[in-house]
Amino acid sequence: AQSVTQLDSQVPVFEEAPVELRCNYSSSVSVYLFWYVQYPNQGLQLLLKYLSGSTLVESINGFEAEFNKSQTSFHLRKPSVHISDTAEYFCAVHNTGRRALTFGSGTRLQVQP
Amino acid sequence: GAGVSQTPSNKVTEKGKYVELRCDPISGHTALYWYRQSLGQGPEFLIYFQGTGAADDSGLPNDRFFAVRPEGSVSTLKIQRTERGDSAMYLCASSLIGTDTDTQYFGPGTRLTVL
Repeated sequence: AQSVTQLDSQVPVFEEAPVELRCNYSSSVSVYLFWYVQYPNQGLQLLLKYLSGSTLVESINGFEAEFNKSQTSFHLRKPSVHISDTAEYFCAVHNTGRRALTFGSGTRLQVQP
Repeated sequence: GAGVSQTPSNKVTEKGKYVELRCDPISGHTALYWYRQSLGQGPEFLIYFQGTGAADDSGLPNDRFFAVRPEGSVSTLKIQRTERGDSAMYLCASSLIGTDTDTQYFGPGTRLTVL
């Protein structure tokens, strides 16, 4: 079985400040890793993913995440947040032999002016 | 192109009633998934279809829940004898097997309320 832990349920931050949303997973086999974002009153959207290759992956809107196999982590970072980044962020994994995603409980990012 | 669509967007029913939730995947996507998201939680996997067959139904909570995908496109999630604990957002996702195989695209969801 696999599990995902998002340690922070809420992260308040001021606009233009850096942010890190933490994600740790447990799995006995190789995994694929994802970050999804859910803006208010909208559906889940894929933000970025790690399948293989470079451990640092980036999104088109300035977020990045680094896969750390030894620490079983996939933390999400952004050097300078905007008000429009206010949303719920979900970390998810699935192992390479099964397609069902296992999600964390989510982190609500609240960007304040 | 059009994304994943789900109907209805909201469904209110009474305890004990039967409900059907519909999902239209992205055209050409061979894989279809159902998840359930309770308030304040991440989505939980219910069932996954590859074509017309259920490849993994290990997430269905009990035999009141059933899903079909008879022609390999549209899917219907069916819940019998609904209970108040079934109230949640039901999410559908689809993906294309063969290229970009591990990206699931989600629909807006159906919010089910059981009174």
